[in-house]
Amino acid sequence: EDQVTQSPEALRLQEGESSSLNCSYTVSGLRGLFWYRQDPGKGPEFLFTLYSAGEEKEKERLKATLTKKESFLHITAPKPEDSATYLCAVGGGSEKLVFGKGTKLTVNP
Amino acid sequence: KAGVTQTPRYLIKTRGQQVTLSCSPISGHRSVSWYQQTPGQGLQFLFEYFSETQRNKGNFPGRFSGRQFSNSRSEMNVSTLELGDSALYLCASSWLGGSRETQYFGPGTRLLVL
Repeated sequence: EDQVTQSPEALRLQEGESSSLNCSYTVSGLRGLFWYRQDPGKGPEFLFTLYSAGEEKEKERLKATLTKKESFLHITAPKPEDSATYLCAVGGGSEKLVFGKGTKLTVNP
Repeated sequence: KAGVTQTPRYLIKTRGQQVTLSCSPISGHRSVSWYQQTPGQGLQFLFEYFSETQRNKGNFPGRFSGRQFSNSRSEMNVSTLELGDSALYLCASSWLGGSRETQYFGPGTRLLVL
């Protein structure tokens, strides 16, 4: 059964303090790994899709990387507006996405 | 391009009632997936529809059902509501569906069962 574990569950940073969020997964035949951002009371907003180990993608202060067992979401010099819950999902041979429970990020000014 | 829309945004029902939620995908997208999100369980897959056919299903009881229309709009129905059905119900669309394509989510319908 496909599984996704995200750590830490919650993370508090000071503005400008860089850090990384982890997404560990087990999946039968990875077809895609997806990162989303979710603000309270809203639907998840798409950030990145990664398909193979070694792949990296960047968007503003965010960078996602992928290995055969985990993915990292690196946040460089975060701002308060980066505060949100970050969700990781994997798609495998079951043809459905399995989500982790998310990391709640708080960036203090 | 308009995003995924869901109606209604909020619902309050009582135990035993039934409810129907609606989802309009991004124009051109033919796959619609439904998810239930709760604080304890996170986001859980309910089912996926593609070209009016249910293509995949999660581990939810038969009280949860759905359908898709020829214009790709989708509805999900929950019958005999239970307190534990209180959740945020999210709809997501993609071009062809499956586990390789990026899914785009709507704002969700917040259901409260009393």
